[in-house]
Amino acid sequence: LAKITQPISMDSYEGQEVNITCSHNNIATNDYITWYQQFPSQGPRFIIQGYKTKVTNEVASLFIPADRKSSTLSLPRVSLSDTAVYYCLVEDSGYSTLTFGKGTMLLVSP
Amino acid sequence: DARVTQTPRHKVTEMGQEVTMRCQPILGHNTVFWYRQTMMQGLELLAYFRNRAPLDDSGMPKDRFSAEMPDATLATLKIQPSEPRDSAVYFCASGPRDRGRRTEAFFGQGTRLTVV
Repeated sequence: LAKITQPISMDSYEGQEVNITCSHNNIATNDYITWYQQFPSQGPRFIIQGYKTKVTNEVASLFIPADRKSSTLSLPRVSLSDTAVYYCLVEDSGYSTLTFGKGTMLLVSP
Repeated sequence: DARVTQTPRHKVTEMGQEVTMRCQPILGHNTVFWYRQTMMQGLELLAYFRNRAPLDDSGMPKDRFSAEMPDATLATLKIQPSEPRDSAVYFCASGPRDRGRRTEAFFGQGTRLTVV
């Protein structure tokens, strides 16, 4: 399993762009990078997934450099409701389980 | 709007009692996960089913925990006897996961268990 390292916490203000970087140095060729978001008292929710370069959806962007040893989740113009824990996961195949680390607690202030 | 349904949402029980948590996965999803979340340990995988067959339950204390899928619409997690250290939020998740497809998993709202 790839070892995941991400910041424990981050602070931001409304309207700012937030970038959360995840390190996965021993990622394997078949591994994908996936991000989940969890609000208090709720289950995790899928945000975005990618293999290389850049992926964008209506919620976020995911930047993955050529060596794939890290990835950056970018949240444009955050609001108070983006306060949550963000988990970076590395998935090796459709049969794999989802292994969650400690995640990054993002606090957005007014 | 399809969703994973867990019951009960909250459960308070006395130590030694049996606890059964239920999960209705999204129709058509072939994979079901059970997770436990605590402040200290975070999200821990307890059990994992594919097409109702248990694939991995290595994270589950076998002496008191059991997980089953009696049919495709129901997954259960049972604790007998319960202990205070079992107090946590238990999440069920389902997904249409097949080899080569890294699709998202959908989580339920969780069952908050308190054992006193």
